[in-house]
Amino acid sequence: GAGVSQSPRYKVAKRGQDVALRCDPISGHVSLFWYQQALGQGPEFLTYFQNEAQLDKSGLPSDRFFAERPEGSVSTLKIQRTQQEDSAVYLCASWSWAEGGETQYFGPGTRLLVL
Amino acid sequence: QQQVKQSPQSLIVQKGGISIINCAYENTAFDYFPWYQQFPGKGPALLIAIRPDVSEKKEGRFTISFNKSAKQFSLHIMDSQPGDSATYFCAASKETSGSRLTFGEGTQLTVNP
Repeated sequence: GAGVSQSPRYKVAKRGQDVALRCDPISGHVSLFWYQQALGQGPEFLTYFQNEAQLDKSGLPSDRFFAERPEGSVSTLKIQRTQQEDSAVYLCASWSWAEGGETQYFGPGTRLLVL
Repeated sequence: QQQVKQSPQSLIVQKGGISIINCAYENTAFDYFPWYQQFPGKGPALLIAIRPDVSEKKEGRFTISFNKSAKQFSLHIMDSQPGDSATYFCAASKETSGSRLTFGEGTQLTVNP
């Protein structure tokens, strides 16, 4: 595709509900990242995939957060039993080498509001 | 632990002026320093990036200045335009960690016409 796409763009959940956020990376991008961006803050790393392998999940804030990328392309971030503090924008980025450095391409994000 | 500190939090400049945003980092293992621009409702977009083997990089109206000994880097936007009004984030990464980015807190830039 032309860029990283994410769905849904907006999600309102009741506290305790489970949610699933989808990321479609740029075709052929091996690496995929999830970040969480609280209102007025910079994005914070959640987890990283290289193909289907989850190589780093040190940023996941609790065991309620789970991510997968079973076929090495589309990824899903799942949040179980959502809490109000989970309200944030969830950004997905895919990565490839560009001349002279690394370029991470970000999707538009999914804005999650937990009531 | 905030490993990348960014200032100012907000900045207002007049059209045609110079916008300067500063960042400082703590982890000497960082070796890639990008700046991202983010408009409301959009994801961050790479603006310009630098590696520590050079002290300055210029692309059009955007320049990064890098001071390795001080562990500081800055973004200069020359001839600032109203269309530059956005939130700017500095970031840093270590290649060995698969390029996960550590972001600063962001600077909201407003360029008045």
